Amino acid sequence: DVKVTQSSRYLVKRTGEKVFLECVQDMDHENMFWYRQDPGLGLRLIYFSYDVKMKEKGDIPEGYSVSREKKERFSLILESASTNQTSMYLCATLGRGSYNEQFFGPGTRLTVL
Amino acid sequence: GENVEQHPSTLSVQEGDSAVIKCTYSDSASNYFPWYKQELGKRPQLIIDIRSNVGEKKDQRIAVTLNKTAKHFSLHITETQPEDSAVYFCAASIQRNTPLVFGKGTRLSVIA
Repeated sequence: DVKVTQSSRYLVKRTGEKVFLECVQDMDHENMFWYRQDPGLGLRLIYFSYDVKMKEKGDIPEGYSVSREKKERFSLILESASTNQTSMYLCATLGRGSYNEQFFGPGTRLTVL
Repeated sequence: GENVEQHPSTLSVQEGDSAVIKCTYSDSASNYFPWYKQELGKRPQLIIDIRSNVGEKKDQRIAVTLNKTAKHFSLHITETQPEDSAVYFCAASIQRNTPLVFGKGTRLSVIA
C-alpha cells in the first residue's frame, strides 16, 4: 500500500518567515508533485519533479521553490511567507504500474498571519 | 496547455437518486481521465478512470463516459448514498509522465 506522508497537518507561520513543507513517500516513485487547494479553485500545481535534483514549474510557482535531494523526499519552500499563501498544500506521487494514478498525502493546512 | 472545466460546482440530490458531474477538456491529445473523491478532511482518492480508447467504464454504482469528439467526459453515480457526499474532481493528462490537470471540483451532497 502506497504511503505518502507530510511533515505537518497544521502549521501557523508569520509573514516573512521561511517555511518548509516536507513530503515523504515509501514506494520508490520517480514522480512527485506539490499542489495547493483553495475553495472554488480546485487543485493547482505548484511544482513537480520527475527525478532526484530535477524540478519543473507548475501553474503557480511564484513565491515557492522546491528541493529533491533524495528520491523519497520532496520539499516545498516558501522563501518569505505571505498571507495569500494561506492554503491547504497537498503532495502527490505518481504510481508505477497505473497509467497516471496519483497518490496524495494527507495535506498540510498552512496559515500565514 | 490543457484546461479542464467542471460543472456543476455544487450538486444536491436525494438519497437513491442519480448524480451526474460533467467535465470538458481543451487538448485533443489528452488520453487519460481520472476522477478523484475527497471526503471532508481527507486526501483525494482515485475512484475510477478511463482512457481514450474506451467510451464507458463501470464499477458498481459509478460509471464514467467519454466523448472524444466533443471533448467531454462525465461521472455518473446511481442509487446515491449519504457516504457519496464529498468533493469530486475530474482530471486529464496527455501522457504518463505529465501532471494531471484538475477541474475545480464538485461538492456533492446526498440528502437522506
